[in-house]
Amino acid sequence: EAGVVQSPRYKIIEKKQPVAFWCNPISGHNTLYWYRQNLGQGPELLIRYENEEAVDDSQLPKDRFSAERLKGVDSTLKIQPAELGDSAVYLCASSLGDRQQETQYFGPGTRLLVL
Amino acid sequence: AQRVTQPEKLLSVFKGAPVELKCNYSYSGSPELFWYVQYSRQRLQLLLRHISRESIKGFTADLNKGETSFHLKKPFAQEEDSAMYYCALEPTGGGNKLTFGTGTQLKVEL
Repeated sequence: EAGVVQSPRYKIIEKKQPVAFWCNPISGHNTLYWYRQNLGQGPELLIRYENEEAVDDSQLPKDRFSAERLKGVDSTLKIQPAELGDSAVYLCASSLGDRQQETQYFGPGTRLLVL
Repeated sequence: AQRVTQPEKLLSVFKGAPVELKCNYSYSGSPELFWYVQYSRQRLQLLLRHISRESIKGFTADLNKGETSFHLKKPFAQEEDSAMYYCALEPTGGGNKLTFGTGTQLKVEL
């Protein structure tokens, strides 16, 4: 089992450019999460999907960030245009469901540097 | 809104010494609490959750509602315990929405 897969692992772009991150959750996991982790901070939830439905996107900066989870499996997180402050590690996680105490399994993350 | 505080960015102990990683939380209800760990070059993973009252790799954590704390403890530190540790809170009925602390880097020295 490969676990949660993310790509790319690293991305360097110039400000105002678009960028996209891809996540493939563990097979059978219905719930998918995108987190952002700034340097020296813990992960912060951006958006949570239950199958293909975004059930919590309250922390997603919707002016420049968008996400989708077509067919309820893979997911893509996009930033357009990127700003310097978007430099961070973007983590994807998945769990079987969204019940209390459900274990979240994290991917390796995508490290984004915006110049 | 809930908040998780880990006051120490770095904790350095000698091998065989006791370890206590501090975690305090702010939440009006009864939270579910977790410790996640990230070893060097590995992904973030669950270490333990308070409801299980389990000991994982010799670590335990007790929820103290009076002090709103969930400190992680181990009586004898091992070199392989060196890692980044995050305390996390899930609100009651929160749909698995975690709030993480800023993390504590544990370094076990020989």
